[in-house]
Amino acid sequence: DIQMTQSPSTLSASVGDRVTITCRASQSISTWLAWYQQKPGKAPKLLIYKASTLQNGVPSGFSGSGSGTDFTLTISSLQPDDFATYYCQQYSAYPYTFGPGTKLELK
Amino acid sequence: EVQLAESGGGLVQPGGSLRLSCTASGSTFSTSYMSWVRQAPGKGLEWVSVIYSDERKHYADSVKGRFTIFRDNSKNTVYLQMDSLRVEDTAVYYCANCEGWFGPWGQGALVTVSS
Repeated sequence: DIQMTQSPSTLSASVGDRVTITCRASQSISTWLAWYQQKPGKAPKLLIYKASTLQNGVPSGFSGSGSGTDFTLTISSLQPDDFATYYCQQYSAYPYTFGPGTKLELK
Repeated sequence: EVQLAESGGGLVQPGGSLRLSCTASGSTFSTSYMSWVRQAPGKGLEWVSVIYSDERKHYADSVKGRFTIFRDNSKNTVYLQMDSLRVEDTAVYYCANCEGWFGPWGQGALVTVSS
């Protein structure tokens, strides 16, 4: 199975900050990577697929990059609505696997 | 956009069975790949199963042989039949459209396995 790791596990930041979350795969997954945002008690929301393609309706302040084993999710200027938990997910091979999540909290 | 709604969650004893349903709005269901993803209380996301439009299926090792995914295109519904349930199957179960990535998602159905 392809293992996914994320860092940091928790990130404290302020409104207006630029933040970056890192995701690493245990083997190359090309660009078969997605990012999700989840708020407490809610279903995850797709943000980015194919490593860097923004889902329709997602604010342009979100961006993704990377290929192979190393990926990043960047929020250019944090908004109050962005404080949530973020997950990466590989779909290069079954079983599809998620990273453990990064909780973005208000400093 | 397609909307998904799960139903069928509840409390079941270890060793018991439960069937989840996920009904989709929209006319493209029959060509859609559909997945189930679960989230144990306070934990991360775990992919469970996928069914293709041609009925091919894949399962996570943790549920293989116990869970069955199937679909009824006439009802725009995908199901997850869960047998031989274990305490560790306790989770919110989400259905989602699957293109490799998942989206949109349903609101989730809570399954609690406890005696």
